[in-house]
Amino acid sequence: QSVLTQPPSVSAAPGQKVTISCSGSSSNIGNNYVSWFQQLPGTAPKLLIYDNDERPSGIPDRFSGSKSGTSATLGITGLQTGDEADYYCGTCDNSLGAGHWVFGGGTKLTVL
Amino acid sequence: EVQLLESGGGLVQPGGSLRLSCAASEFTFNNYAMNWVRQAPGKGLEWVSAISGSGGSTYYADSAKGRFTISRDNSKNTLYLQMNSLRAEDTAVYYCARGEFVVPAAMGGMVVWGQGTTVTVSS
Repeated sequence: QSVLTQPPSVSAAPGQKVTISCSGSSSNIGNNYVSWFQQLPGTAPKLLIYDNDERPSGIPDRFSGSKSGTSATLGITGLQTGDEADYYCGTCDNSLGAGHWVFGGGTKLTVL
Repeated sequence: EVQLLESGGGLVQPGGSLRLSCAASEFTFNNYAMNWVRQAPGKGLEWVSAISGSGGSTYYADSAKGRFTISRDNSKNTLYLQMNSLRAEDTAVYYCARGEFVVPAAMGGMVVWGQGTTVTVSS
């Protein structure tokens, strides 16, 4: 059971938009910055969003992040088949100790 | 190019030990906290441990506490994870990942990841 809760799967057609939710508590999302990671099959995770809504250089603006209270959301517009991957939210949890990261269980995105 | 390269994984019997290494290149290693994150087969990401840039502060998940030891050699730009008393449930791909500050924090995320090294605990 992950500390952060994500839907196991989402799907949408190419060109459409999808959102992935991440629910936590005041000890993690409520008081820390949220990151989102993309993991393509057989590869290492890749940072998509950091500090709730910031994109690292090289990440297209089709990817966006937001946070409200104890929940965060990843949005992907203009879906492409290459976006099929597992997506994870992550942050630190103050109740578990300094620097202690927690992740969501992951959401598998299918582009139909 | 900023890079992390893990090594040291392999097959080990339950109760055995293994030391993972993560070689860093093209950045000032001691300016950044480092993390170990693992992923069991078919499962999600699990944070294992972190260490501050100086190596003076270490942090562990409950699953690693008392069995794993994180360390770093800043003169060699290398991060380590000594794993003792290994169990079947430690079977996973182990990734090293760089934080964006000298102490572990959510701010900045984990931008740089290695390709992972596989640890299999089985008799």
